[in-house]
Amino acid sequence: DIQMTQSPSILSASVGDRVTITCRASQSINSWLAWYQQKPGKAPKLLISKASSLESGVPSRFSGSGSGTEFTLTISSLQPDDFASYHCQQYRINPWAFGQGTRVEIK
Amino acid sequence: QLQLQESGPGLVKPSETLSLTCTVSGGSISSDGFYWDWIRQPPGKGLEWIGSIYHRGVTYYNPSIESRVSISVDTSKNQFSLRLTSVTAADTAVYYCALTPAAPRGRFDYWGQGTLVAVSS
Repeated sequence: DIQMTQSPSILSASVGDRVTITCRASQSINSWLAWYQQKPGKAPKLLISKASSLESGVPSRFSGSGSGTEFTLTISSLQPDDFASYHCQQYRINPWAFGQGTRVEIK
Repeated sequence: QLQLQESGPGLVKPSETLSLTCTVSGGSISSDGFYWDWIRQPPGKGLEWIGSIYHRGVTYYNPSIESRVSISVDTSKNQFSLRLTSVTAADTAVYYCALTPAAPRGRFDYWGQGTLVAVSS
């Protein structure tokens, strides 16, 4: 099975900061990676698919990059609505697997 | 607008069977091109994919719990269901139903709101 590892687990930042979250796969997943945003008590929401393809309605301050085993999610200028948890997920090989999540909190 | 809604008991006793149903509205569960999935999240932890089903009955399960899980579909009610047998406290989690496109499969485009199931005597 493919293992997904995110870092950091917790990220403290301020409004306006540029933040980057890293996700590593235990073997190559090409670009079959999704990023989700999850707010407390809510279901995850798909932000990015195929490593870098922004879903409709997602603000352009979000971007994704990477291929193979190393991926990043970047928020160019953190907004109050962005304080949440973020999860990466590989969908190259079944069983689909998620990272453990990164919580972005107010500094 | 497609919507998914989980329903079922919020409390299950250890060694018993957890049963949940996901009702789909705003679209047909019989549509070609979609799989219907279950995902769970223990309190304070990450997400775990449980399994998925196609409306024709084809299923895929996570090997980590495959021996205890079954997913079925009822196209007449536009629902699909999860059964997890011999539950323990480790099965306490928020359970989500979700939709994934058939190609590429495995990306979760729509989610239900989730339902918390606690395993306790």
